Amino acid sequence: EPEVTQTPSHQVTQMGQEVILRCVPISNHLYFYWYRQILGQKVEFLVSFYNNEISEKSEIFDDQFSVERPDGSNFTLKIRSTKLEDSAMYFCASKREHSYEQYFGPGTRLTVT
Amino acid sequence: GQQLNQSPQSMFIQEGEDVSMNCTSSSIFNTWLWYKQEPGEGPVLLIALYKAGELTSNGRLTAQFGITRKDSFLNISASIPSDVGIYFCAGPDPTSGTYKYIFGTGTRLKVLA
Repeated sequence: EPEVTQTPSHQVTQMGQEVILRCVPISNHLYFYWYRQILGQKVEFLVSFYNNEISEKSEIFDDQFSVERPDGSNFTLKIRSTKLEDSAMYFCASKREHSYEQYFGPGTRLTVT
Repeated sequence: GQQLNQSPQSMFIQEGEDVSMNCTSSSIFNTWLWYKQEPGEGPVLLIALYKAGELTSNGRLTAQFGITRKDSFLNISASIPSDVGIYFCAGPDPTSGTYKYIFGTGTRLKVLA
């Protein structure tokens, strides 16, 4: 059964450094998403991407964040200059056209020190 | 922004008991999704609901789309220890559609063997 995959599973970085989180969505899916979950809290929407452009973003997704689909399979989230409060689980999700069912990857735990 | 409130926030139950939880919104939703999240993992889609009044089952899980379209319910029958986790309701944002999904506050389930 196809799955969303994410790498790395855990990333530790120093404050001010850039990080890139990588995702491989399910192959026939066309809508891609990034979410954040601070420990013990709810899942928060960051950004969605469709047809090679950002379709929606939240207030959290400021100029420090960017997304890219560099090739036909990867979908990345970049944080330019990490802050302590960026420490969280980051989840990638994808869905097919004409479907509401969104499927999540296993997440990347980002720790900013 | 939109909020989905889940109740109860957490619950301890005995193995074999039935569990009920709900999710409410101040706005009408056209689709409800229920996810389960285990520690350190991504949310896993359990059930999707598309019509007011719809009742859908997945094994021991049954979910209902409330007739007001502002709520949804999840029941777990004869709970077992592996039902432990956080259950989230979610749905496409009523104003943004499938470009943005809103997640509920979660119900944390703990099963006592």
